Amino acid sequence: LAKTTQPISMDSYEGQEVNITCSHNNIATNDYITWYQQFPSQGPRFIIQGYKTKVTNEVASLFIPADRKSSTLSLPRVSLSDTAVYYCLVAEGSYQLTFGKGTKLSVIP
Amino acid sequence: EAQVTQNPRYLITVTGKKLTVTCSQNMNHEYMSWYRQDPGLGLRQIYYSMNVEVTDKGDVPEGYKVSRKEKRNFPLILESPSPNQTSLYFCASSGRAPTQYFGPGTRLTVL
Repeated sequence: LAKTTQPISMDSYEGQEVNITCSHNNIATNDYITWYQQFPSQGPRFIIQGYKTKVTNEVASLFIPADRKSSTLSLPRVSLSDTAVYYCLVAEGSYQLTFGKGTKLSVIP
Repeated sequence: EAQVTQNPRYLITVTGKKLTVTCSQNMNHEYMSWYRQDPGLGLRQIYYSMNVEVTDKGDVPEGYKVSRKEKRNFPLILESPSPNQTSLYFCASSGRAPTQYFGPGTRLTVL
């Protein structure tokens, strides 16, 4: 299973774009990159998933460079409600998922 | 509404008293899993099940049991709870890993 490294915490002001980078140097050919969001005392919620290049949905964008050794979750114009922990996962579809400690994003008014 | 439900949401018990936390999903997912979350340790997988009657250990299975007799249900059993099992527990299901849908959580305190 590929190990991921993310910043422990980040601060951002409301209305700014936030980019959270995840490093996964030993990602395997069949691995996908998935991001989850978790609010306090709630279960994680799927945000976005990608394999290469760029993926965008109504919530976020995911940028994956050609070597796939890192990925960046981009949250446009964050609000206070985006304050949460964000997890980066790398997996082929294996059922043994490792969440790690995530990045705690604090949005400041 | 598609959802994963857990019961109870909160439980306080004493050491050694057997308990079961139920988990049910209405999405006809084959895959289900249990996690525990502790401060500073993130989410750790306890057990998972790929289908009915198929279960396997995750990263921290000691002290827990599971069963999968029906597709929709995946109960977590603590035969003899101990204080180090005090934690926040999440059940999850998926029709296509690693996109998982999580339940609301069960906060367990073992005295």
